[in-house]
Amino acid sequence: EAGVAQSPRYKIIEKRQSVAFWCNPISGHATLYWYQQILGQGPKLLIQFQNNGVVDDSQLPKDRFSAERLKGVDSTLKIQPAKLEDSAVYLCASSPLAGPGNEQFFGPGTRLTVL
Amino acid sequence: TQLLEQSPQFLSIQEGENLTVYCNSSSVFSSLQWYRQEPGEGPVLLVTVVTGGEVKKLKRLTFQFGDARKDSSLHITAAQPGDTGLYLCAGPFKAAGNKLTFGGGTRVLVKP
Repeated sequence: EAGVAQSPRYKIIEKRQSVAFWCNPISGHATLYWYQQILGQGPKLLIQFQNNGVVDDSQLPKDRFSAERLKGVDSTLKIQPAKLEDSAVYLCASSPLAGPGNEQFFGPGTRLTVL
Repeated sequence: TQLLEQSPQFLSIQEGENLTVYCNSSSVFSSLQWYRQEPGEGPVLLVTVVTGGEVKKLKRLTFQFGDARKDSSLHITAAQPGDTGLYLCAGPFKAAGNKLTFGGGTRVLVKP
């Protein structure tokens, strides 16, 4: 079974530029999560989708971050414009069931460096 | 302030030694998960503990959930270089809508 796919794996941009990340979850997984992991910290949830609807985006900086999950499968996360403090690894995870007690399957992440 | 405090932040040991890492909170959790994250990869779930006082074993790894469900520990016996990684605990935080909340992690380095 293929795991969660993410691209690109690495991205370097200058501040105020835009960037987009892509995630393809495990087939059949209804729940998709985007996390931000700053160096030396644990992942922090940015947004959770259930199929193509948003369940929780309370920690998403909506003035610059946006995410969508069209057709309830793939998802993209966009930052526009980027700030220095956005440098982090962006992890996508999926789960067959909703609920934090269920196992989440993580992709390898996209490492973003903002200069 | 982290809802889940992990200690130590970093641990370097020789192959064959034992180690214990801790995950503590002032809040009660309905369950706690332990993940291991290797460099350049996403976290991988190791175990979920649900019942206060529960002990689970996974080969050389022993996980314990505190009686009051506020803390957990991970003990590795006879560590091997393959155990190297970032160990993260995580649990649903009720006051945040049961969002899965991660600790800051313990980075473990096992030297051959």
